[in-house]
Amino acid sequence: NAGVTQTPKFRVLKTGQSMTLLCAQDMNHEYMYWYRQDPGMGLRLIHYSVGEGTTAKGEVPDGYNVSRLKKQNFLLGLESAAPSQTSVYFCASSLELTGNTIYFGEGSWLTVV
Amino acid sequence: GQNIDQPTEMTATEGAIVQINCTYQTSGFNGLFWYQQHAGEAPTFLSYNVLDGLEEKGRFSSFLSRSKGYSYLLLKELQMKDSAYYLCAVTSGAGSYQLTFGKGTKLSVIP
Repeated sequence: NAGVTQTPKFRVLKTGQSMTLLCAQDMNHEYMYWYRQDPGMGLRLIHYSVGEGTTAKGEVPDGYNVSRLKKQNFLLGLESAAPSQTSVYFCASSLELTGNTIYFGEGSWLTVV
Repeated sequence: GQNIDQPTEMTATEGAIVQINCTYQTSGFNGLFWYQQHAGEAPTFLSYNVLDGLEEKGRFSSFLSRSKGYSYLLLKELQMKDSAYYLCAVTSGAGSYQLTFGKGTKLSVIP
């Protein structure tokens, strides 16, 4: 049972480069989320999706785009990476629109130099 | 907006009891969650409180007072493996999703 899988786990980018983080879940969950976690800041919601083909902005959406073309996948894109986007990114999914059934992926460590 | 406060760090002794507090200010409160996160790992769900009172789950208990905007996580019979970050999170808003996390409390369990 894979749960929530994120790829890649580690990546180093140069400023201005673009990249996509892939999140896949095999639990048939409707809701998916992307968070970033920075020291002293806690987990902050970037974007989320309430179903296939839908996306919505969270607390810190600037500089990121997302797509949910398939129910099981939620992609996070960085169009032009900046050092401020150096962070740990967590994808999560849930069956309901509450937190008690939210499952997190193992995280993706991104460094922008 | 929402504001969630919890202590930055706490230290406790193996075998002891520790209480981690969380206070919040939010509109349209729906529920409060506690997550555990070991360094370098993903957060894992510990507890969920919607109504006032104490929810017990093995060595872990969580308490909620909605009128006071206050919760605590109680860990009993502390073990070394309980050393981790503990995240308080609040969900609020009718018809929209918003799960907001506090900055987390780093708990260190010492022998």
